[in-house]
Amino acid sequence: GQQLNQSPQSMFIQEGEDVSMNCTSSSIFNTWLWYKQDPGEGPVLLIALYKAGELTSNGRLTAQFGITRKDSFLNISASIPSDVGIYFCAGQDPQETSGSRLTFGEGTQLTVNP
Amino acid sequence: NAGVMQNPRHLVRRRGQEARLRCSPMKGHSHVYWYRQLPEEGLKFMVYLQKENIIDESGMPKERFSAEFPKEGPSILRIQQVVRGDSAAYFCASSPQMTYNEQFFGPGTRLTVL
Repeated sequence: GQQLNQSPQSMFIQEGEDVSMNCTSSSIFNTWLWYKQDPGEGPVLLIALYKAGELTSNGRLTAQFGITRKDSFLNISASIPSDVGIYFCAGQDPQETSGSRLTFGEGTQLTVNP
Repeated sequence: NAGVMQNPRHLVRRRGQEARLRCSPMKGHSHVYWYRQLPEEGLKFMVYLQKENIIDESGMPKERFSAEFPKEGPSILRIQQVVRGDSAAYFCASSPQMTYNEQFFGPGTRLTVL
């Protein structure tokens, strides 16, 4: 099956710094999604990407769908304490019918020091 | 506009008992997905259902686990004769249609098997 490698595993930054994390896949995806999960809660959808090369922003968040369709990155600018959490990438396998399962990365734990 | 609802939020069972986890999708969503998350790991797909149909159960263990999404009422994930290894957070997600794969997650049910 599909595997996603997400890096880094964890990041410790100062408030105000920019953050970048990425995911790579062993094969192509046709959809990339980025989620944030707070402790004890479910993942919250941040950004969805549908086209290779697509660059999408949501406030201080920017994500891109890699041209090869095998990777994606998420940037967070001017981090604030409430950005703390675990960020997951997720992809949909093009071999599957639309609306089926997502494959998740292992997550990036972000800590922001005030 | 209520989000995905799951109950119970926490469930404690002894080995050999049955666990029933419920999920009500977002209003207007007819596609439901179940994922399992072990501590310090990403989410792993289990099953994808539409009303009265199991579309993809390739991530479900072959024994003891079953899922349904009846015409009326919530989706149910049922685990029979639970074992300690079943302890995990179980998340339900829903999506509105098959064209896009934006899955919205509930808060999860944390199952602890004693």
